[in-house]
Amino acid sequence: DQQVKQNSPSLSVQEGRISILNCDYTNSMFDYFLWYKKYPAEGPTFLISISSIKDKNEDGRFTVFLNKSAKHLSLHIVPSQPGDSAVYFCAASNSNSGYALNFGKGTSLLVTP
Amino acid sequence: DTEVTQTPKHLVMGMTNKKSLKCEQHMGHRAMYWYKQKAKKPPELMFVYSYEKLSINESVPSRFSPECPNSSLLNLHLHALQPEDSALYLCASSQTGQGAEAFFGQGTRLTVV
Repeated sequence: DQQVKQNSPSLSVQEGRISILNCDYTNSMFDYFLWYKKYPAEGPTFLISISSIKDKNEDGRFTVFLNKSAKHLSLHIVPSQPGDSAVYFCAASNSNSGYALNFGKGTSLLVTP
Repeated sequence: DTEVTQTPKHLVMGMTNKKSLKCEQHMGHRAMYWYKQKAKKPPELMFVYSYEKLSINESVPSRFSPECPNSSLLNLHLHALQPEDSALYLCASSQTGQGAEAFFGQGTRLTVV
């Protein structure tokens, strides 16, 4: 049973515009959320995270928003750059379960020049 | 050093072979993980080690046998695998506190013939 869902398998955005990647979760015990970026034939690379006690975290061009009541989070990338083209995974963890990550299926982002 | 190093990068093995995947980190992380990723799927947790002790085994078949010889090393011993076990095997490590992001290795691409 998929506890973390990314319902958009792909997204195409023009360079310079905003990319918004969405993620929903079902397990209310999750208390930490992370976004990872993955290129083919490489392991996931950590991008940004947010604790369940916050509703926003910003790091440069990347901002993650958390809506706990809706069990929804989103990653905003602005401005988008061609080098951002990759698969983005949303992940969630529960501090009572050893910090293991539950991943969504990923969204493939393509940023076109 | 923020790297998690996995060897080998690629492995082809027969169903009667015994092989091992290796993972190493020198970040002082006390939690280490094995994930399995099939094509177009998210990484799925297999095992979690915390302070060199197995803390989570996600109902993985016994043909996969993890080992944590010390705080820097994590092995995955493989025996009598099936073709459906072909996948990308990812090792990760993290601190053990809440909010600790996991660092992933590049993975071992395993093909069982």
